[in-house]
Amino acid sequence: QQQVKQSPQSLIVQKGGISIINCAYENTAFDYFPWYQQFPGKGPALLIAIRPDVSEKKEGRFTISFNKSAKQFSLHIMDSQPGDSATYFCAAGGAGNNRKLIWGLGTSLAVNP
Amino acid sequence: DTEVTQTPKHLVMGMTNKKSLKCEQHMGHRAMYWYKQKAKKPPELMFVYSYEKLSINESVPSRFSPECPNSSLLNLHLHALQPEDSALYLCASSLGPNTDTQYFGPGTRLTVL
Repeated sequence: QQQVKQSPQSLIVQKGGISIINCAYENTAFDYFPWYQQFPGKGPALLIAIRPDVSEKKEGRFTISFNKSAKQFSLHIMDSQPGDSATYFCAAGGAGNNRKLIWGLGTSLAVNP
Repeated sequence: DTEVTQTPKHLVMGMTNKKSLKCEQHMGHRAMYWYKQKAKKPPELMFVYSYEKLSINESVPSRFSPECPNSSLLNLHLHALQPEDSALYLCASSLGPNTDTQYFGPGTRLTVL
């Protein structure tokens, strides 16, 4: 049973546009929600993370919106650039004693020049 | 410095070989992780070390043998692997076992012939 559902699977955006990736979770015990960016052949890099006590967090062009009641969170990439083309993974953590991360299946983003 | 290093970058081995993957961090982190990642899939947790002791083994086959010689170093010993074990092997670390933010290394691309 997948505990974190991510959509869309793939996304094509024009340069300068807004990229939006959505995730939904089931376990209300999760209390940490990171987004990772991964380029081909590289390890995932932490992009931005949020905890349930805030509804939005912004770092540069990247914003996480969090809706606790709906158990959903999303990543918005403003002014998308070709260099943003990568795979993005959402995750949820904090549930259980080991606090391991539960990952979404990923979104492949392509930003056309 | 939030760097996790992994060697080698690439490894090709036969099914009868014995090889080792190495991971190193100098951030003073006391939790270290091994993940396996198949193409177009999220990372899959294999092992967690907490204060140099194995705290989580996600039912990984015994042909994978982790070792944590000290707080900065993590090894993964490989023996009698199968072709389906070919994947990107990622190491990560976090400040402590109950600290959520994980920093990933670039990975070792393993091919089993």
